[in-house]
Order: sequence, then C-alpha cells, then structure tokens
Amino acid sequence: KAGVTQTPRYLIKTRGQQVTLSCSPISGHRSVSWYQQTPGQGLQFLFEYFSETQRNKGNFPGRFSGRQFSNSRSEMNVSTLELGDSALYLCASSLAGTGFGYTFGSGTRLTVV
Amino acid sequence: AQTVTQSQPEMSVQEAETVTLSCTYDTSESDYYLFWYKQPPSRQMILVIRQEAYKQQNATENRFSVNFQKAAKSFSLKISDSQLGDAAMYFCAYNSLGGGSQGNLIFGKGTKLSVKP
Repeated sequence: KAGVTQTPRYLIKTRGQQVTLSCSPISGHRSVSWYQQTPGQGLQFLFEYFSETQRNKGNFPGRFSGRQFSNSRSEMNVSTLELGDSALYLCASSLAGTGFGYTFGSGTRLTVV
Repeated sequence: AQTVTQSQPEMSVQEAETVTLSCTYDTSESDYYLFWYKQPPSRQMILVIRQEAYKQQNATENRFSVNFQKAAKSFSLKISDSQLGDAAMYFCAYNSLGGGSQGNLIFGKGTKLSVKP
C-alpha cells in the first residue's frame, strides 16, 4: 500500500511570506501528526489531527497552524516566516494516534531566506 | 513532563558485529509505548521496533532487539550482525497513553550509527 506522501519535497521562501505543506496519510489512517526537525532542537511535536479535529498541540507560536480534511489529508501552514523556521517538516500517520505505530513521510525541507 | 535521553551522539560498529544503542527516559506514568526509529539520509523515519510498557517481554524484530528495564527507565536497542544498510540516525521515542498526548512522540536527540566494512 502507498506510504505517507508529503509535498513538496523542497521549498525556498522569503522572510515574511507564508507557506502551506501537504501530507497524505496511509489509506485508513485517521490520525496525522506534524513534527519540526532542526539540528539544534531535534524533533519537536507541532500538532495532531484526528477526524478533522485538532486533538493535541505542541509549544509553537500561533503562526503555525494546520487542518485536516474529510479524506484525512492534512495541511500545515506557517505564516510570516522567520529564518528560524527553516527545518525539515515531517508528518506521521497512524490508525488512532496513540501507540499503534506511526508511519512517517519523507518530509518537506523548508528554507527561509 | 516526559523526557528521552540518548547519551551517545555517535557510535561505530564493524560489519557483522553487534552494537547496542542506549536510551533512558523519565516519566511518572506506568503505561506507555517506546519506539526506536531509524532515519537514513533519505530523511524518512522508519519504525525499527516497538515496546509496550506493560509487557515484560522484550520486543524483537529480526536482527533488532531491545532490553527494556522499566524500573530503571532504560530502553536500549541491540543490532546484531550489523549491515552497511544499518548506518543511519537512530531515535528513541516515548509515547504517553495519557489524555492530551495523542500523536505526540517525544524523541531523544538521536545516535548516529556508522557501519565499517
């Protein structure tokens, strides 16, 4: 079966712009989580969606937001980009979001210049 | 809050040999899940092995096994018969079963494993 698909793979944006990243989970998976990965901070949890509802959120500013559609596909949006937002953004899907095992996508590499 | 510590930033192993990666965690919960993920240069995080805290038996997956010491809050990964394809970053992760923890994996900083031919 198809894995978790993230688009685009790479993105270059200018400070102050906004960006939208997309994640298509494995068919049948209803939970989608997003993570930010940087060399300094490591992997940090952004938020989790289940059946179009945000169930959990990490400690990120309000510039980071997301949503999930009825087909479980999820998008993440970052507004007013800052240089520090440059990172690898990973999404993970699972059946229910807790303990079932998470399948990750290959990530979107965002560079803010 | 839960934390995960991987004390070995880098490790090296000879092909066909065995290597053990360390992970400790801090929690006050009694039920949780622990994972080891592998991240090769392709960037995709790949699940290596999963352990449920209420199970005393250590999980194994082919050449990969864990030593889960619940009282010591230790969760080490042993890779036997190491192969060149095992070279990657390895992350230990904790998943709470508590409410409000859905989808939230808490990761360690990772251990970079090199495999020498």
